[in-house]
Amino acid sequence: NAGVTQTPKFQVLKTGQSMTLQCAQDMNHEYMSWYRQDPGMGLRLIHYSVGAGITDQGEVPNGYNVSRSTTEDFPLRLLSAAPSQTSVYFCASSSAGLAGETQYFGPGTRLLVL
Amino acid sequence: GENVEQHPSTLSVQEGDSAVIKCTYSDSASNYFPWYKQELGKRPQLIIDIRSNVGEKKDQRIAVTLNKTAKHFSLHITETQPEDSAVYFCAASNYNQGGKLIFGQGTELSVKP
Repeated sequence: NAGVTQTPKFQVLKTGQSMTLQCAQDMNHEYMSWYRQDPGMGLRLIHYSVGAGITDQGEVPNGYNVSRSTTEDFPLRLLSAAPSQTSVYFCASSSAGLAGETQYFGPGTRLLVL
Repeated sequence: GENVEQHPSTLSVQEGDSAVIKCTYSDSASNYFPWYKQELGKRPQLIIDIRSNVGEKKDQRIAVTLNKTAKHFSLHITETQPEDSAVYFCAASNYNQGGKLIFGQGTELSVKP
């Protein structure tokens, strides 16, 4: 199993450009989430999904869109990048256990918006 | 929504000493509390977790305690080693709401040889 994979590893964008951060998992996990990590701010939840076709907003959803057409994939879209979106983005997945299940994180995508 | 506060933001200990990191949460419906370790440039990795029906859990040198009444939980690392140096994050969620972890701000632990 590859676990949770993310592409690209690093990306530089200009203000106003759009892009999609890819996330895939091969563990058949129902739950998937996107977090951003900024220095001193910890990890903040952007969007999450409890299954294909179902998504919901997290703590900091503005400027980001998501969709979940398959169990395996959960892409994050930036429609018009802003310097405030410079961050490290982590995707995570977990199974839908009855008592809380381990979230597995991808390796992260470093995004720089100029 | 849930809010998680974590203290201290930095912690420096001598090798062999104990380290304690504390977190408080706001949502009484939260019932799952994991702790993650993140080394520089790496992804967060789960080190221990606790559920609301348990007051304490231990795994070798690591232990977590939970006080539901006070809504706080703590990570205890005994006999610290230099390889324990990392950033530690607590988190809280209601596992009935699906993978929605809310994290604390992190504690940078430095273990000096």
